[in-house]
Amino acid sequence: DGGITQSPKYLFRKEGQNVTLSCEQNLNHDAMYWYRQDPGQGLRLIYYSQIVNDFQKGDIAEGYSVSREKKESFPLTVTSAQKNPTAFYLCASSINRDTQYFGPGTRLTVL
Amino acid sequence: AQSVTQPDIHITVSEGASLELRCNYSYGATPYLFWYVQSPGQGLQLLLKYFSGDTLVQGIKGFEAEFKRSQSSFNLRKPSVHWSDAAEYFCAVGAWAAGNKLTFGGGTRVLVKP
Repeated sequence: DGGITQSPKYLFRKEGQNVTLSCEQNLNHDAMYWYRQDPGQGLRLIYYSQIVNDFQKGDIAEGYSVSREKKESFPLTVTSAQKNPTAFYLCASSINRDTQYFGPGTRLTVL
Repeated sequence: AQSVTQPDIHITVSEGASLELRCNYSYGATPYLFWYVQSPGQGLQLLLKYFSGDTLVQGIKGFEAEFKRSQSSFNLRKPSVHWSDAAEYFCAVGAWAAGNKLTFGGGTRVLVKP
């Protein structure tokens, strides 16, 4: 089955730690995206990538980093510089200039 | 820059009643508009989209939406709600000129009364 997988489903981070969220897609989509979701605020774009080895900052990129070494994978690292990382993180992919499809999400909690 | 407003944070509707969710957008060019649905703790599922053509768009699960350029609106409707429609609904506008970015509204949570 084609789709987008995110792992882990739940992630706990201690203060000062970096953590990496995984996003993989087998839809052969060119573009991939990371969103952050907080209650009552909808989704906000963190980073996006339209092709391999290239990515751009979204609206709230501070404290996050990404890489796009393979078409299928777009991992997100939440660094210790992100002061309020507790949120639900959603990955999406699309053929360029078309509909975005979403993964099941990762819930990150800072202990 | 584009923006999306969903004026209703919560809506409660009786099972079998009709449902309308409001969405207003601001975008300088031709908008590409989407409605997604999210169950608790899950990802977003596409309900329908408008790119061009007929302004009344049919989607999955019996939903439809109407694009009204003069009102900058893209309201979602369902004639008869089922208990399984209880979820959060998000309207979004796409900006192809800006890397296919989606801007989302804050969402409307729908509760269904038996």
